[in-house]
Amino acid sequence: DIQMTQSPSSVSASVGDRVTITCRASQGISSWLAWYQQKPGKAPKLLIYAASTLHAGVPSRFSGSGSGTDFTLTISSLQPEDFAIYYCQQANSFPPTFGPGTKVDIK
Amino acid sequence: EVHLEESGGNLVKPGRSLRLSCTASGFTFGDYAMTWFRQAPGKGLEWVGFIRSKAFGGTTEYAASVKGRFTISRDDSKSIAYLQMNSLKTEDTAVYYCTKGKYCRGGSCYADYWGQGNLVTVSS
Repeated sequence: DIQMTQSPSSVSASVGDRVTITCRASQGISSWLAWYQQKPGKAPKLLIYAASTLHAGVPSRFSGSGSGTDFTLTISSLQPEDFAIYYCQQANSFPPTFGPGTKVDIK
Repeated sequence: EVHLEESGGNLVKPGRSLRLSCTASGFTFGDYAMTWFRQAPGKGLEWVGFIRSKAFGGTTEYAASVKGRFTISRDDSKSIAYLQMNSLKTEDTAVYYCTKGKYCRGGSCYADYWGQGNLVTVSS
C-alpha cells in the first residue's frame, strides 16, 4: 500500500494568515491526489482533486499543487470557518490511502 | 442537489451482523461507483471498500481488514448502496460513511459527496 504522510500534524494560525500543508506519498502517484476538510462531528468534504482542481463550490482561497510524491494545500487567507482537520488521499492505486491529517486551529 | 443518507448503525455484540444502507438522491445513482469509508473514534479515515457501476461490471473491492466479512451491494432501481457487515469485531467500531465516486482509477476514487456518517459500535 502507498503510505501518505502530512506535515505539520497541527498548525496554529490567525484569521488572515496564509497556511500551507504538505503531503508526501511513499511512491509516485502522478496527480492522483485529493484534499478533504473535516470539521468536528461532520463528514469530510472534498476540496481539491487531481492535485490542483477545485471542487465545485470551494472558495478560491484554497489551492493545491504538486505531482509525483510531493503535494501542498494552501489556504491563502485563513477564515474562521477554515479551522478544521485536513486530509490528503491518494487515488492512484489500490487501495486508496489517506494521510494522518493536519489540524488547523486558532492561534 | 446530491444527498447521501446512511442508516442502520447500531450497537452490536462481537460476532454479530449488521447492514448499513446508503440512500442517494440528486444524481443518476447507477452511473457512479460508491465507496464506503470509516473512521474509528478519534482516528483518521480508512477505506473499507467500493462497488463499481454496472457499466464497469458492478464488481467490488475490499480492504484487507474486512475482506471476507463485509459485502457491498447496490440496488440501482432504488438508488441504495448497502454494506453488509458479518462477524463484527470490536475494532470495526467506527463511523461509517458512504460516498459517491467522482473519478476512479482501479479501485480508488475521489469521494466528491459524503453521507452524514453512521455510528457502528461493536461491544459486548
